[in-house]
Amino acid sequence: GAGVSQTPSNKVTEKGKYVELRCDPISGHTALYWYRQSLGQGPEFLIYFQGTGAADDSGLPNDRFFAVRPEGSVSTLKIQRTERGDSAVYLCASSLGQGARKAAILTGELFFGEGSRLTVL
Amino acid sequence: AQSVTQPDIHITVSEGASLELRCNYSYGATPYLFWYVQSPGQGLQLLLKYFSGDTLVQGIKGFEAEFKRSQSSFNLRKPSVHWSDAAEYFCAVAPRSNDYKLSFGAGTTVTVRA
Repeated sequence: GAGVSQTPSNKVTEKGKYVELRCDPISGHTALYWYRQSLGQGPEFLIYFQGTGAADDSGLPNDRFFAVRPEGSVSTLKIQRTERGDSAVYLCASSLGQGARKAAILTGELFFGEGSRLTVL
Repeated sequence: AQSVTQPDIHITVSEGASLELRCNYSYGATPYLFWYVQSPGQGLQLLLKYFSGDTLVQGIKGFEAEFKRSQSSFNLRKPSVHWSDAAEYFCAVAPRSNDYKLSFGAGTTVTVRA
């Protein structure tokens, strides 16, 4: 597709359940980012992938959160033993790759998806 | 501590009137600066950015922003608002040392009245 695609758009789950959120970046973008946006707040950085590897996962709140990008394209954010505090909109973004990493940020070419809204009951 | 502050949670403006959204940051060194807009059902869209040079930057949709180092501010302006400008606006910064890691303010919701 033309933009960053995220599925599902909405997910309601019960406390303690396992959840997977998927991100399909723009074709050719090797950098991929996950952010979390809680109600009334701005997005918060979670993790940054360059290709298949997590270059920076310092924003993941705890070990219940994990993200993968096995083939350097689609990424999945995985949340184990969900808690009510995990309720938020999870945003994915992509940009041009390692060789143009600084250029991509300097030109602000971070393209965001519409997000996956997670509600934990 | 590093932070981005948008003092106004909600602003209401009449169509055709001017708009100014405030953004202040607290960083050890001048970061890269951005403004994003988020409309219902749409992803965040970049309006404009500042890296260096001319402190008045022009963006899309008729927006501009001015970087003031002495005030650690990067305020967004538009001379004449259109109803389609109703949205949530986010100021964001990225440290020059880790330029992929955006930090966002809490956002300002803009309502446009006819």
